[in-house]
Amino acid sequence: QSALTQPASVSGSPGQSITISCTGTSSDVGNYNHVSWYVQHPGKAPKLMIYDVNKRPSGVSDRFSGSKSGNTASLTISGLQAEDETDYYCCSYAGNGIYVFGTGTRVTVL
Amino acid sequence: QVQLVQSGAEVKKPGASVKVSCETSGNTFSAYYMHWVRQAPGQGLEWVGVINPNGDVTHYAQRFQGRVTVTKDASTSTVYMELSSLTSEDTAVYFCARERPRTSYFDDWGQGTLVTVTS
Repeated sequence: QSALTQPASVSGSPGQSITISCTGTSSDVGNYNHVSWYVQHPGKAPKLMIYDVNKRPSGVSDRFSGSKSGNTASLTISGLQAEDETDYYCCSYAGNGIYVFGTGTRVTVL
Repeated sequence: QVQLVQSGAEVKKPGASVKVSCETSGNTFSAYYMHWVRQAPGQGLEWVGVINPNGDVTHYAQRFQGRVTVTKDASTSTVYMELSSLTSEDTAVYFCARERPRTSYFDDWGQGTLVTVTS
């Protein structure tokens, strides 16, 4: 049950696209299409952005998209905006009722 | 949006136990899985455990096995997480989060409860 691996930081200029990776194993990310992504602003609770690898809850901007290949899931933010500057976490189901989060990525808008 | 209302901040001594509560609506309490997630200061999110809608099945992260207990109280629609044998490494904000059955994601979160372990 090791944490999924995310880059500590990703940066981009306004309007650009960035991608955050989330690498697990064949026991979690690679074995289930139950990868979700959460955004967390300082001092706040996380908020769901993507579920089941690539589905968006209602109300979430279509600038956010998800994908998966093998043991690595990815979150892409298109048309980067200043308000996107904060922390992002992936999460995967790992079987037997267990979940595992990613290490977290700080997005910086240059 | 659904309200998950957690109990207030706690200060505990090493070796003690803490019990954090998460009050839900009646529908959420009876129909959803309820998870606990923690976040140490300046650190990432860490999944702790979950209880099923019926309250008769729990699963915990391996590192907390034997030290954490998640329970439900139907009379108050409240979910509890108790963590024992506290050390300074347990200092964190603890969140409750809701999962609709057969979905595997957390669609609503409590506001968080800071637990500080200090001598």
